[in-house]
Amino acid sequence: DQQVKQNSPSLSVQEGRISILNCDYTNSMFDYFLWYKKYPAEGPTFLISISSIKDKNEDGRFTVFLNKSAKHLSLHIVPSQPGDSAVYFCAASLYNNNDMRFGAGTRLTVKP
Amino acid sequence: EAGVTQSPTHLIKTRGQQATLRCSPISGHTSVYWYQQALGLGLQFLLWYDEGEERNRGNFPPRFSGRQFPNYSSELNVNALELEDSALYLCASSTRTGYEQYFGPGTRLTVT
Repeated sequence: DQQVKQNSPSLSVQEGRISILNCDYTNSMFDYFLWYKKYPAEGPTFLISISSIKDKNEDGRFTVFLNKSAKHLSLHIVPSQPGDSAVYFCAASLYNNNDMRFGAGTRLTVKP
Repeated sequence: EAGVTQSPTHLIKTRGQQATLRCSPISGHTSVYWYQQALGLGLQFLLWYDEGEERNRGNFPPRFSGRQFPNYSSELNVNALELEDSALYLCASSTRTGYEQYFGPGTRLTVT
């Protein structure tokens, strides 16, 4: 039951350019969405989140966009830096449920 | 502030044995979550504990169990180990109402 999908297993971009990571979900009851970043041999670290009542949330170089009608969210990183190279997980949660569903992850490589 | 800690870092067991994994949450967090990340797959939700009680469990057999202690630390037990249980087991913690989960570095379980 893959309720959260990241269809691109990998993405490669040049340093300084924009990275766009995509995520789709199937359960319209999800009301909170998060992005996590994971380096090898470390646990995922929280990056940015968005509530379903918003369509955009920005934090420095990171912006998350939510399109509820399409059940789609994306993470934009501008400008991309080599240190951003990691696996990015999209996650979705139900209000007060604490049952978070994760996508399979997208490996981002930023080339110098 | 200390983050989520997990022990051991690595664990090697043979098929049929039992494994015990431990997790200490961030101070002030009452919820602890366990996830399994098998090779090439995303994070699969295992268990959620809060205030000493199991609040939710994912689609895993009963041989995956755990508990939460009065100090909010938690233990994950996997009985009758199978080869496919080999994975990275991640623990996360949050406040009772917080959506953001903070992850530990994980325990790599290898079943031979």
